[in-house]
Amino acid sequence: QSALTQPASVSGSPGQSITISCTGTSSDVGTYDYVSWFQQHPGKAPKLLIYDVSERPSGVSDRFSGSKSGNTASLTISGLQAEDEADYSCCSYAGGSTWVFGGGTKVTVL
Amino acid sequence: QLQLQESGPGLVKASETLSLTCTVSGGSISSSSYYWGWIRQPPGKGLEWIGSIYYSGSTYYNPSLKSRVTISVDTSKNLFSLKVNSLTAADTAVYYCARVVVAASALDDWGQGTLVTVSS
Repeated sequence: QSALTQPASVSGSPGQSITISCTGTSSDVGTYDYVSWFQQHPGKAPKLLIYDVSERPSGVSDRFSGSKSGNTASLTISGLQAEDEADYSCCSYAGGSTWVFGGGTKVTVL
Repeated sequence: QLQLQESGPGLVKASETLSLTCTVSGGSISSSSYYWGWIRQPPGKGLEWIGSIYYSGSTYYNPSLKSRVTISVDTSKNLFSLKVNSLTAADTAVYYCARVVVAASALDDWGQGTLVTVSS
């Protein structure tokens, strides 16, 4: 069970759109439509943004969207805002009631 | 409003055993709709899933930690617990407990986390 691969950092200007990738294997992302994304501000607990690849929990802005193709999932943030500056982590179900996380991506708003 | 609260020592010695408890309030740990999990995050690093437990007591562990980890549940007290033995400095991390929605396999509610430092 290896960690999912995410870019270390992504940046964008206010109002722009950015996309964060999350690459797994055929044992996790490629097989299960149970990919989730979390936002984490410094010193805070992760907050669920996306589940089941593209579903948003109640209260999460529709500026956040998710997708998946093959072994790679993606999170897109549209209309980037200063408050979006945070760490973002992906997570995939890996079978047998086990989960695997990505290494996290730091988003900087320029 | 569901709340999860981790508790336990913030400093433990290398080679010893870490014990943490997650107390759940505002909801029942005995619901068939959820697992209950532990996740950790070393300083400056990514999240790592440790393991999870169902109210029935069924447990599921990260293969890389399985030999050192035990998770248990006490439905009468609405809490679940984590033990990690043979500690090293690499186990220094913020430890989180979380609720996992069975149907969506998503960790939808998290505790605030507790920093555990392993000292030599």
